[in-house]
Amino acid sequence: RKEVEQDPGPFNVPEGATVAFNCTYSNSASQSFFWYRQDCRKEPKLLMSVYSSGNEDGRFTAQLNRASQYISLLIRDSKLSDSATYLCVSKGGNQGGKLIFGQGTELSVKP
Amino acid sequence: DTGVSQDPRHKITKRGQNVTFRCDPISEHNRLYWYRQTLGQGPEFLTYFQNEAQLEKSRLLSDRFSAERPKGSFSTLEIQRTEQGDSAMYLCASSLAEATEAFFGQGTRLTVV
Repeated sequence: RKEVEQDPGPFNVPEGATVAFNCTYSNSASQSFFWYRQDCRKEPKLLMSVYSSGNEDGRFTAQLNRASQYISLLIRDSKLSDSATYLCVSKGGNQGGKLIFGQGTELSVKP
Repeated sequence: DTGVSQDPRHKITKRGQNVTFRCDPISEHNRLYWYRQTLGQGPEFLTYFQNEAQLEKSRLLSDRFSAERPKGSFSTLEIQRTEQGDSAMYLCASSLAEATEAFFGQGTRLTVV
């Protein structure tokens, strides 16, 4: 089993739709969580950190459920420019200082 | 540009040759990470440094791979006797040890023919 698992993609949605990505992690000692965005053939870029209390940044909302070892990302009012691969990441605890990435979920927003 | 810099951006090599990649982290960052990514997969951890100390190396990394960070600044990743299976994007990232976010360079795309 992979340490970080994500919904299989691709997600194909129309502009303006709301889309949710889910992620589970197996290491209960993980301390920090992130969502990264990766455009085709580009490097991953930090989208947002995920806090226990949940956090929002504009159209993006991230939530963490430590009891279920579950992380989510909600994108409201999808834009064409949101098309990318979204990577769920865990860090810390007994896995040391490295970041552990999920496989990524591809999002395609259509006009 | 004060971001993470990687060189070269692209490398094509013949099977059996040695290759070396360089990464220059963000200047005040003391942690430096190397990852490998193939199409359709998330980045796979290879190794990381805190200053000049190599703190962890993936057991997936064969002994053909070696990384150094001699002065705690830039790092090099060397692959000896390259194989076609080594073809991938090699990503470098850096962070402050006490912070949690890591920032990536643009990567080195390796093609072994």
